[in-house]
Amino acid sequence: DTGVSQNPRHKITKRGQNVTFRCDPISEHNRLYWYRQTLGQGPEFLTYFQNEAQLEKSRLLSDRFSAERPKGSFSTLEIQRTEQGDSAMYLCASSLGTGLQPQHFGDGTRLSIL
Amino acid sequence: DQQVKQNSPSLSVQEGRISILNCDYTNSMFDYFLWYKKYPAEGPTFLISISSIKDKNEDGRFTVFLNKSAKHLSLHIVPSQPGDSAVYFCAASGQTSGSRLTFGEGTQLTVNP
Repeated sequence: DTGVSQNPRHKITKRGQNVTFRCDPISEHNRLYWYRQTLGQGPEFLTYFQNEAQLEKSRLLSDRFSAERPKGSFSTLEIQRTEQGDSAMYLCASSLGTGLQPQHFGDGTRLSIL
Repeated sequence: DQQVKQNSPSLSVQEGRISILNCDYTNSMFDYFLWYKKYPAEGPTFLISISSIKDKNEDGRFTVFLNKSAKHLSLHIVPSQPGDSAVYFCAASGQTSGSRLTFGEGTQLTVNP
């Protein structure tokens, strides 16, 4: 079990730039989730995929955010025209899709907007 | 609205004693509850879960209790060890929330040697 892998671990960029994060889930997991966490808060749900289908999106996911999971394996989360308020830890999780299964998280990508 | 709430931002206990972390929820449609532990610079690590058909689940030193009528769950760690020092999050999901987890704000547990 290699766990959920996220890259990069840190991203520093200037306001207005586009950024893309990658998540590789646990290999047999068909569900993949993105969350965002800010200091002193718990993770907040952004979106989730079952295989390649994006089944749910949070109101937090503005039109500057887009997520994909082509072929149902790894996923990317892109933020266009970044803003100061986008600074956060972006967490990816995966789970099996049957029954009540826990989500397993990666170590996240910390985004800092200058 | 905060559907999952952890009212204690921090808790300090002595090594070997019991740690009790509490969590309250408001959404009666939640039917699956989880506890995660988080160290700095790492993602949350799954600890233990419980479905709404049970009122207790135990795994080694960790026990989760669910009181559905009070919409309250707790995590007991016995005996507490210094390595248990971390932020603990409770989370919940339910039929109306799809597969999304709704997290509390977290409780910083410090276990003193």
